[in-house]
Amino acid sequence: QSALTQPASVSGSPGQSITISCTGTSSDVGGYNYVSWYQQHPGKAPKLMIYEVSNRPSGVSNRFSGSKSGNTASLTISGLQAEDEADYYCSSYTSSSTLDAIFGGGTKLTVL
Amino acid sequence: QLQLQESGPRLVKPSETLSLTCTVSGGSISSSSYYWGWIRQPPGKGLEWIGSIYYSGSTYYNPSLKSRVTVSVESSKNQFSLKLSSVTAADTAVYYCARRRGTWYFDLWGRGTLVTVSS
Repeated sequence: QSALTQPASVSGSPGQSITISCTGTSSDVGGYNYVSWYQQHPGKAPKLMIYEVSNRPSGVSNRFSGSKSGNTASLTISGLQAEDEADYYCSSYTSSSTLDAIFGGGTKLTVL
Repeated sequence: QLQLQESGPRLVKPSETLSLTCTVSGGSISSSSYYWGWIRQPPGKGLEWIGSIYYSGSTYYNPSLKSRVTVSVESSKNQFSLKLSSVTAADTAVYYCARRRGTWYFDLWGRGTLVTVSS
């Protein structure tokens, strides 16, 4: 069960926008609108930021948005703030093997 | 406000069985809307899904761990549990329990517990 592919790191300055990609296959990202994104600060549990590709849970800033094209999903953070510095993980349903979720390898976001 | 809390031994010897329990408070584990899952994170590494269970007892396991993993639910105690047998140092990780929604996202997480495999 291969992990989804994410860049190891991205960076941006306060106020800018950044995009984190998450590449899978037609058996996961490309085949279903079941992509989610999680934010994790050091020493903390992951926090759900986006579900079903582009939906935001209550309480999550509208600076966070999600999209998908083909086998690649993306998380965009606009108006970067210092508090956005964290690790970000994508996840998707997969129809291979055991019919459950797989995670990406994670992306470290640095706010310069 | 529903909360999840992991509990269990923090130190396990190699070849033994790791056992953790997740206690759900503020809501029922028997809701038909949710699944319940275990995810782990080795120090400095990414997230790895271990397995999920429905309140009825249906289970789903990561193929890479399937031969060693058992996830069970005890509705009367509002708990679900993880057992991982024949552990090695590679199983050292922070173990999280989480609530999984029907469209495969985890919306609530426990704080996590670090389990170290060492003699």
